[in-house]
Amino acid sequence: KAGVTQTPRYLIKTRGQQVTLSCSPISGHRSVSWYQQTPGQGLQFLFEYFSETQRNKGNFPGRFSGRQFSNSRSEMNVSTLELGDSALYLCASSRWAQGPQETQYFGPGTRLLVL
Amino acid sequence: SQQGEEDPQALSIQEGENATMNCSYKTSINNLQWYRQNSGRGLVHLILIRSNEREKHSGRLRVTLDTSKKSSSLLITASRAADTASYFCATGVSGNTPLVFGKGTRLSVIA
Repeated sequence: KAGVTQTPRYLIKTRGQQVTLSCSPISGHRSVSWYQQTPGQGLQFLFEYFSETQRNKGNFPGRFSGRQFSNSRSEMNVSTLELGDSALYLCASSRWAQGPQETQYFGPGTRLLVL
Repeated sequence: SQQGEEDPQALSIQEGENATMNCSYKTSINNLQWYRQNSGRGLVHLILIRSNEREKHSGRLRVTLDTSKKSSSLLITASRAADTASYFCATGVSGNTPLVFGKGTRLSVIA
């Protein structure tokens, strides 16, 4: 089976712009979670989608949003980028309905640099 | 907020030695998981141990869980240079709540 894929792998944006990141989960996985990883804050949970519905949301401002499509692929969007949004954004999928508690299979991440 | 905290933050050992990393957490858990991350890449799942289990093995990895002390340890035996990575513990609490990751232990294995 193919693993979790994320596109693009690298991205450079300027403050105020918006960005969309994409994630394709492992075939058959219905839960997709997004995480932000920075050196200072570590790995922080953004949100989780299951069957096209947002089931969990972390403590991030409304500039961070996401969605999931009927084929389980997911996108996250960050509007009005700030310098502090520079991070590695990781997507993870899991098989079961319990989703975020079970084993997470991570993609390689998208490294976003905001200038 | 971080639920799990790994200790030490960084560890440097010689190839062939054993590496032990610890994780402490604050609330009751359903399961505890360990992940590995090579520099700047995605995390790889290593082991999941449930709250009713005390020890699990996978190859050169041994994980213990002490729910009374709210702590877990990851032991890597006969370490190799390829084990150089950051290791994270993550706790699963209940229901549909997401995993909470610690900040990780950076392991360097010197050949």
